Amino acid sequence: NAGVTQTPKFRILKIGQSMTLQCTQDMNHNYMYWYRQDPGMGLKLIYYSVGAGITDKGEVPNGYNVSRSTTEDFPLRLELAAPSQTSVYFCASSSPGAGTEAFFGQGTRLTVV
Amino acid sequence: AQSVTQPDIHITVSEGASLELRCNYSYGATPYLFWYVQSPGQGLQLLLKYFSGDTLVQGIKGFEAEFKRSQSSFNLRKPSVHWSDAAEYFCAVGAGGYQKVTFGTGTKLQVIP
Repeated sequence: NAGVTQTPKFRILKIGQSMTLQCTQDMNHNYMYWYRQDPGMGLKLIYYSVGAGITDKGEVPNGYNVSRSTTEDFPLRLELAAPSQTSVYFCASSSPGAGTEAFFGQGTRLTVV
Repeated sequence: AQSVTQPDIHITVSEGASLELRCNYSYGATPYLFWYVQSPGQGLQLLLKYFSGDTLVQGIKGFEAEFKRSQSSFNLRKPSVHWSDAAEYFCAVGAGGYQKVTFGTGTKLQVIP
């Protein structure tokens, strides 16, 4: 029972480089989310998707892009990495509706140097 | 705007002692309230949630939380803490999908022998 799988687990990027964080879920959830977690700041929503082909910005979308071509996959693209993007990134998925449980991946720890 | 406050950044308790983690929220109507736990190197896992009904909610791993509308609080409790409970705990508030859920900044629990 894989749940939400994120790759890679760790990555070091140089300033200006680009990369894609992968996220796959096998629970057939319509809703998927990308968060970043910074020390003492809790989780901040970057982007979310309510279904294949539909994405929308969250609280902190600048410097990121997403796509949702299938129900299962929700990759997060970082263009022109900056030190401010050093963080731990979590992908999550849920069923529609209020009060449902969100299932989180194990996270990607990204350092931009 | 909705908000969540977890006033304690770190808490240390002895194994076997009782635990209470504080959470205060601000929300215009009756919200969904959640407690999530994050073990080291892991994603978040739902402990329990409240929307309506009995104000004392039972969750997994022996945790419970009490909703107090008059105090705008949703404190998490456990009668006897185990070493495996050492983790970071997040309170969250909102309704609708998780794009409308706000997470607190977290309380890190240390358990000492």
